[in-house]
Amino acid sequence: QSALTQPRSVSGSPGQSVTISCTGTSSDVGGYNYVSWYQQHPGKAPKLMIYEVSKRPSGVPDRFSGSKSGNTASLTISGLQAEDEADYYCCSYAGSYTLRVFGTGTKVTVL
Amino acid sequence: EVQLVQSGAEVKKPGESLKISCKGSGYSFTSYWIGWVRQMPGKGLEWMGIIYPGDSDTRYSPSFQGQVTISADKSISTAYLQWSSLKASDTAMYYCARSTYYYGDVDYWGQGTLVTVSS
Repeated sequence: QSALTQPRSVSGSPGQSVTISCTGTSSDVGGYNYVSWYQQHPGKAPKLMIYEVSKRPSGVPDRFSGSKSGNTASLTISGLQAEDEADYYCCSYAGSYTLRVFGTGTKVTVL
Repeated sequence: EVQLVQSGAEVKKPGESLKISCKGSGYSFTSYWIGWVRQMPGKGLEWMGIIYPGDSDTRYSPSFQGQVTISADKSISTAYLQWSSLKASDTAMYYCARSTYYYGDVDYWGQGTLVTVSS
């Protein structure tokens, strides 16, 4: 099972919006609504930002939003802030054999 | 407050065995699944497998089947990840994480355990 495909990096100025794509197949992203997004700062554990495609856990700012179309999920960060600079990973359920697959990861840089 | 606290960093030699732990607190340990995730140095996240401490139902990702063993002791709210014979390529950070269902998204993560395998 290959990793989901994400852009290596995206960047934006403070206040701008950035969108990270996560492309899989009909066996993972396209087949289930269990797509999540994680933020990871250097040397830290990942933190859940979005679950079940578009739901936001309590405590996560509403400038983070998720969506899905076909085999591609997306994470949008609106009103980019300095503290949003981190690595972001998508993750999808991929069936009872493969279980789960992560994306390749995207480094978000705040210019 | 939900917490997953992992055991400390380990330095081992190739061929040695190892068991690392993940202790849950602040929730009903037997009602949630615990998954394990590998992150090799400078690399991305990889899903290894998952266990339901309530009945020890365990599922492995194909890449890790036969390479590691996942277990749990519900009496002390602790999940484990173990190796019988470590390789240098097992050097990585290992995270445990909680999910409501084996197919569900993980919400809380442990702080990670760094395993270094070197001769």
